[in-house]
Amino acid sequence: LAKTTQPISMDSYEGQEVNITCSHNNIATNDYITWYQQFPSQGPRFIIQGYKTKVTNEVASLFIPADRKSSTLSLPRVSLSDTAVYYCLVGDLNTGGFKTIFGAGTRLFVKA
Amino acid sequence: EAQVTQNPRYLITVTGKKLTVTCSQNMNHEYMSWYRQDPGLGLRQIYYSMNVEVTDKGDVPEGYKVSRKEKRNFPLILESPSPNQTSLYFCASSYRHQNTEAFFGQGTRLTVV
Repeated sequence: LAKTTQPISMDSYEGQEVNITCSHNNIATNDYITWYQQFPSQGPRFIIQGYKTKVTNEVASLFIPADRKSSTLSLPRVSLSDTAVYYCLVGDLNTGGFKTIFGAGTRLFVKA
Repeated sequence: EAQVTQNPRYLITVTGKKLTVTCSQNMNHEYMSWYRQDPGLGLRQIYYSMNVEVTDKGDVPEGYKVSRKEKRNFPLILESPSPNQTSLYFCASSYRHQNTEAFFGQGTRLTVV
């Protein structure tokens, strides 16, 4: 399985915008990028998914450059409740199956 | 409400005593899977099922069994639990396959003594 690379941890303050970058150098043509959020002792929760350029929903934005070798999850104006682990995954929506594993993710800590 | 329900939430058992963790989803999803989560190791997939009667091994299947007799249920069976299976377990489902939006259960914290 391919791996993605994310920072292990990040700190932020309430009200700031947080950008978490994920590297996926071996991404294939049919691969999509998906981000999940996990709070302690809870199952991961789907945040956003994209293929290229920019995707935005009510929770976050996902920026994917033209070469698609990386992606950036952007959380606007974070609050204490955004403290969680964030996972970046790559997979093929056509043939199925995650190509990347849920690794350690990025542990975001939001301070008051 | 769309949900994945696991039972029990917490379980302490002894080595060798067979146990089953149930998982049920109400979204008519085809794809279901089991993960275990251990400190420093992230989430690792145990087994997955593409549809009824179709199951396959994930990354860490040793010591586990699954069945998919009906679409909504995907139980995880530990025939002879051992202490190294002490972990936090999650069941997940998605509409067609794993890359679409996956819904995870609340987790089952298992301790084998």
